[in-house]
Amino acid sequence: NAGVTQTPKFQVLKTGQSMTLQCAQDMNHNSMYWYRQDPGMGLRLIYYSASEGTTDKGEVPNGYNVSRLNKREFSLRLESAAPSQTSVYFCASRTAGGGYTFGSGTRLTVV
Amino acid sequence: QKEVEQDPGPLSVPEGAIVSLNCTYSNSAFQYFMWYRQYSRKGPELLMYTYSSGNKEDGRFTAQVDKSSKYISLFIRDSQPSDSATYLCALLGGSGGSYIPTFGRGTSLIVHP
Repeated sequence: NAGVTQTPKFQVLKTGQSMTLQCAQDMNHNSMYWYRQDPGMGLRLIYYSASEGTTDKGEVPNGYNVSRLNKREFSLRLESAAPSQTSVYFCASRTAGGGYTFGSGTRLTVV
Repeated sequence: QKEVEQDPGPLSVPEGAIVSLNCTYSNSAFQYFMWYRQYSRKGPELLMYTYSSGNKEDGRFTAQVDKSSKYISLFIRDSQPSDSATYLCALLGGSGGSYIPTFGRGTSLIVHP
């Protein structure tokens, strides 16, 4: 099925560990985004990539890095996980003039 | 003051009721307005997308935009238990002409049989 695929769906990390969240879309969208969603805080933009080869910081970029590997893939890396990064992470993609298509999310717990 | 305000609810209604979900915003530069539905433990999915004042209808859903009042609404007719979800508004075209949407925090809707 066409859409946005995120892996893994669940992850538990120890404080200080690193990991990469993967995202791929097969809709030929130019723009891709990483959000985190926390209770009472709504969706907050971490990083985005307006097109292949470009990335920009969003509202809450500290503690994260991203890579736009090609037009399809946009990964999010936590270099040294902290309990404050416990959240649900969503990847999304968008075509110009269109709405967002979201993935099903990654539930991350940092202990 | 946040750019987009949305009452978190929960809003509890009986099956068959007409539901009204609302967002207010402060930045008159917003030009595009979206509504997303998010079921528990799922990603948001796009319901409605409009870029003008007035009404847009899609089945049981009607999106209404009043730019003069900076107020947008989503109406659900004949609500069903399957409509129970969180509804998020998202606005595009804010300060500086940004096309990064600003999301409301979402309203939780419960439709009970």
